[in-house]
Amino acid sequence: DIQMTQSPSTLSASVGDRVTITCRASQITSNWLAWYQQKPGKAPKLLIYEASSLESGVPSRFSGSGSGTEFTLTISSLQPDDFATYYCQQYNTYLWTFGQGTKVEIK
Amino acid sequence: EVQLVQSGAEVKKPGESLKISCKGSGYIFTNYWIGWVRQMPGKGLEWMGIIYPGDSGTRYSPSFQGQVTISADKSISTAYLQWSSLKASDTAIYYCARAELGGAFEYWGQGTLVTVSS
Repeated sequence: DIQMTQSPSTLSASVGDRVTITCRASQITSNWLAWYQQKPGKAPKLLIYEASSLESGVPSRFSGSGSGTEFTLTISSLQPDDFATYYCQQYNTYLWTFGQGTKVEIK
Repeated sequence: EVQLVQSGAEVKKPGESLKISCKGSGYIFTNYWIGWVRQMPGKGLEWMGIIYPGDSGTRYSPSFQGQVTISADKSISTAYLQWSSLKASDTAIYYCARAELGGAFEYWGQGTLVTVSS
């Protein structure tokens, strides 16, 4: 099974900061890689799909990149609404795997 | 409008059985995979398994194979997640979500809280 490891686990940042979260796969995976945002008490929200495609309605400050075993989610200028937990998720041959999550906190 | 509406919160005792549901609307239910995701208290997301309602084909995470059963009734556009004998460690929020081509979960249910306690 492919394991997904996110780093960091927690990130402290200020409004306006550029934030990058990394997701590494245990083996080369396809670009079927998605990123989600989850706020307390809410279902996850899809931000990025197929590694770099922005979901409709998601602000353009969010972007995704990467291929092979390393993928990144970047928030170009952190906004107050962005403090949340972020998860990567890969899909490969009928198996789905989530990363363990990255909590973005207010510095 | 695509919607996934899950059944309400449950409180059960260890050893009891349970079946929770996820009703899809606003799209052709048989054309998309529906997955189940567990979130234990204060923890991350875990993919449990998935079903294609068109032919009831299922896939399970190795971590959940044999622990739960996923099914669907396409006549009422509803997917199910069931346990035959609950454990305290099954206490969690369970989400259903629709998988798009490429595997991303675009639409999510609101979650069902399952509490297992003696």
